[in-house]
Amino acid sequence: EDQVTQSPEALRLQEGESSSLNCSYTVSGLRGLFWYRQDPGKGPEFLFTLYSAGEEKEKERLKATLTKKESFLHITAPKPEDSATYLCAVRGANSKLTFGKGITLSVRP
Amino acid sequence: GAGVSQSPSNKVTEKGKDVELRCDPISGHTALYWYRQSLGQGLEFLIYFQGNSAPDKSGLPSDRFSAERTGGSVSTLTIQRTQQEDSAVYLCASSLVAGEQYFGPGTRLTVT
Repeated sequence: EDQVTQSPEALRLQEGESSSLNCSYTVSGLRGLFWYRQDPGKGPEFLFTLYSAGEEKEKERLKATLTKKESFLHITAPKPEDSATYLCAVRGANSKLTFGKGITLSVRP
Repeated sequence: GAGVSQSPSNKVTEKGKDVELRCDPISGHTALYWYRQSLGQGLEFLIYFQGNSAPDKSGLPSDRFSAERTGGSVSTLTIQRTQQEDSAVYLCASSLVAGEQYFGPGTRLTVT
C-alpha cells in the first residue's frame, strides 16, 4: 500500500525566514510525486510534478526536490501570501494519487 | 480557460436523505476523480473514471456511495441515506490521461 507522511504538521515562519517541508513516501513503482497548495475553503492547486530522484523544479520562492524516499519543498524568503496548506501526493502502479495530510504553513509579517 | 467546477458549493441535509453532487471537468480531460476531505485528514480517494473504461470504485466507503459520468464529461456523485459521518468536503479533479490533476473548489456537505 502506498503511503505518504508529511512533516511537520504545522510550521510558523517569520517573513523572510527560509525553511523546508518534508514528504516521506513508500510506493510501488513511482510514477510521479506531486506538490499542491491548498488555501482555506478552496480545492488544491497544482504546483509541481517530480518523476525521478535528483529532479528539481522551481517556481518563484518554491523549489521541490526528490530522492528515492522523500521530497522536500524549499521555501526561500517566504512572504505572508505563501501561507497555506501544502499537500504531497504520490502515484504508483495505478493512476490514483495517495495524499499526505498536509503541512500548514503560516508566515508572519 | 475554465477550470473544474462543482455544485453546489455547500449542501446541508438531514440524516437519511439522498444527495447528489455535480462535477464539470476541464474540457478535453479524459480522467475524472472524486475525493473526500475531512477536517484534519488527507484527501481520501473515492472513485476514478478514465475515458470509456470501467471506473475504479475501490475507494467508495460503502454501497451508499455511487458515481456516474455521462458522455465522458459531467460526473455526479450520489450518497444515499446520508449519515453524519458523511459530512466532509467532496472534491472533484480532472486530468489529461494520467497527468497532473486539477481540482475544483469542492462541495461542503453537512449532514444534520
